[in-house]
Parts: sequence; C-alpha cells; structure tokens
Amino acid sequence: EDQVTQSPEALRLQEGESSSLNCSYTVSGLRGLFWYRQDPGKGPEFLFTLYSAGEEKEKERLKATLTKKESFLHITAPKPEDSATYLCAVQAWNSGYALNFGKGTSLLVTP
Amino acid sequence: DVKVTQSSRYLVKRTGEKVFLECVQDMDHENMFWYRQDPGLGLRLIYFSYDVKMKEKGDIPEGYSVSREKKERFSLILESASTNQTSMYLCASFGQGEAGELFFGEGSRLTVL
Repeated sequence: EDQVTQSPEALRLQEGESSSLNCSYTVSGLRGLFWYRQDPGKGPEFLFTLYSAGEEKEKERLKATLTKKESFLHITAPKPEDSATYLCAVQAWNSGYALNFGKGTSLLVTP
Repeated sequence: DVKVTQSSRYLVKRTGEKVFLECVQDMDHENMFWYRQDPGLGLRLIYFSYDVKMKEKGDIPEGYSVSREKKERFSLILESASTNQTSMYLCASFGQGEAGELFFGEGSRLTVL
C-alpha cells in the first residue's frame, strides 16, 4: 500500500530563517511526486511535480528535491506570506492518476 | 487558466437528507476526483472517474456515490447524510498527457446536523 509521511506536522520560523520540510514515501511504481500549498479555507494550489530521483525544481523561495525514498521542500529566507499548509502527494502508475496525500506540514512564519 | 468550480462553498444539511455536490471543469479533462479533507486525517480519495459514465472507488467510498453524465461535470452524492460526513469536500481534475498537475476547486464545506 502506498504511504506518504510528512514531517514535521507543524513548523514555526522567524522571517528569514531557512528550513526544510520532509516527505517520505513508499509507492509501487512512482509516476510523480507533487507538492501543493494550501491556505485556510481554500483548495490546494499546485507548486511542483518531480518525476525522478535527483530532480530539483525551484520557484521563488521554494526548492523541491527528490530521492528514491523522500522529497524535501526547502524554504529559503521565508516571509510571513509563506505561511500555509504544505502538502506532499504521490501518484503511482497503477493509480488511475489519483494522488495519495500526506497529512501536511503547517508552516507559520512570524515577522 | 484551468478552472474547477464547485457549486456550493458552504452547506448545512440535516441527518438523513440527500446531498448533491457539483463540480465543473472547463479544460476538457478526462479524469476527475472527489476528496474529503479532515483535520488530522489529510485528504482522502472518495471516488474518481476517468471518462464519462465511468467511476472507480477510492479509499473511502462508503456512504457516497457519484455521477458523470458529461465530461465536464462530476457530482458527489450523499444518499442519506450523516454527522460523520461533516467535512471539507474537494473536487479536482487532471488531463492525460499533461505535465502532471491536479487542479483543485475551492472546496465545499458541508455541515450535517
């Protein structure tokens, strides 16, 4: 059975204090690993898709990396507007394009 | 921009009522999904559909059914709502052959009294 575990559950950072969020996964045939951002009361907003170990993608202060067992979302010099819940999900080749989500990391960035 | 629109942002229903949650996407996507999201449990897949009139059970289909009569519309039906179905419901769509983005709607928060 596919499993996605995110850590930590919650993270509080000072503005400018860089850190990383972890997503560990087990899946039978990874088609893609996805990162989403979710603000309170809203639907998840797509950030990145990673397809193979060693792949990296960047967007503003965010950088996602992928190994065969885990993915990291690195946040460099975060700002208060980066506060949100970050969701990781895996898509398996036999899943019919459905995503299996982790429970998320709630990030709070204080001024 | 791809848009996934959920018809109701907030609903309040009574136990035993039949509830319809509607979702429409405007990008001609083949695949559509219904998830529910609960604190501490994350997003869980209820049902998905890969074509008109086709449906597949997800991880938690009990108490739900779906309908896909047109490609752009995917409906979630609660035949007899119960209090444990109080949740945030999220619809999503995905196009085959694309780079791989699942597009979500804004969500429908359902409260069953």
